[in-house]
Amino acid sequence: GAVVSQHPSWVICKSGTSVKIECRSLDFQATTMFWYRQFPKQSLMLMATSNEGSKATYEQGVEKDKFLINHASLTLSTLTVTSAHPEDSSFYICSLGGHGGGGYNEQFFGPGTRLTVL
Amino acid sequence: DQQVKQNSPSLSVQEGRISILNCDYTNSMFDYFLWYKKYPAEGPTFLISISSIKDKNEDGRFTVFLNKSAKHLSLHIVPSQPGDSAVYFCAASAIGTASKLTFGTGTRLQVTL
Repeated sequence: GAVVSQHPSWVICKSGTSVKIECRSLDFQATTMFWYRQFPKQSLMLMATSNEGSKATYEQGVEKDKFLINHASLTLSTLTVTSAHPEDSSFYICSLGGHGGGGYNEQFFGPGTRLTVL
Repeated sequence: DQQVKQNSPSLSVQEGRISILNCDYTNSMFDYFLWYKKYPAEGPTFLISISSIKDKNEDGRFTVFLNKSAKHLSLHIVPSQPGDSAVYFCAASAIGTASKLTFGTGTRLQVTL
């Protein structure tokens, strides 16, 4: 499967600051990447679909001005949490979409980024 | 509205026995189902998938069963091993949604010695 990295793996920031999370595809050119958020003991919730060279598609209830997504190349998508607040503290995970050995929908996930906003 | 549900938040199974993890869904447009395994502070790892045109898919110790009429799928792990201890998520994808996945709430499996 595809290898996906995320940086940083964890970050602590002060309320009101912005945090950028990078998601890189190391061995595959990804036209589509997905960004998820997971709160403790809850499911992974899709935040947005990141499309290379075009605007991201956000899920209902996700503020696009707060969670800025940039997919400038086939190997890099970034998620910027702007003016972060404690309620934004979560585990953020990216994935490559729709590529797999046998099926067409097997997403491959990055290791995640733990964001803690003080 | 939770379209994919895993009603058992946790499951404990003895090593060597069968683990059965269940998942129910409500959206009849879902046509592809996947199981992921997740360790704490890591991203999910793909395990096995099944298309809606099948009712069973097997890969080594892992078998997924799909009952479309009941909108239910299950993951069987046999024999269970201590290394299988993790949180398991089922996920579903609908026709025409460009690979978007809807995840269940997860089941924490503990395989005891």
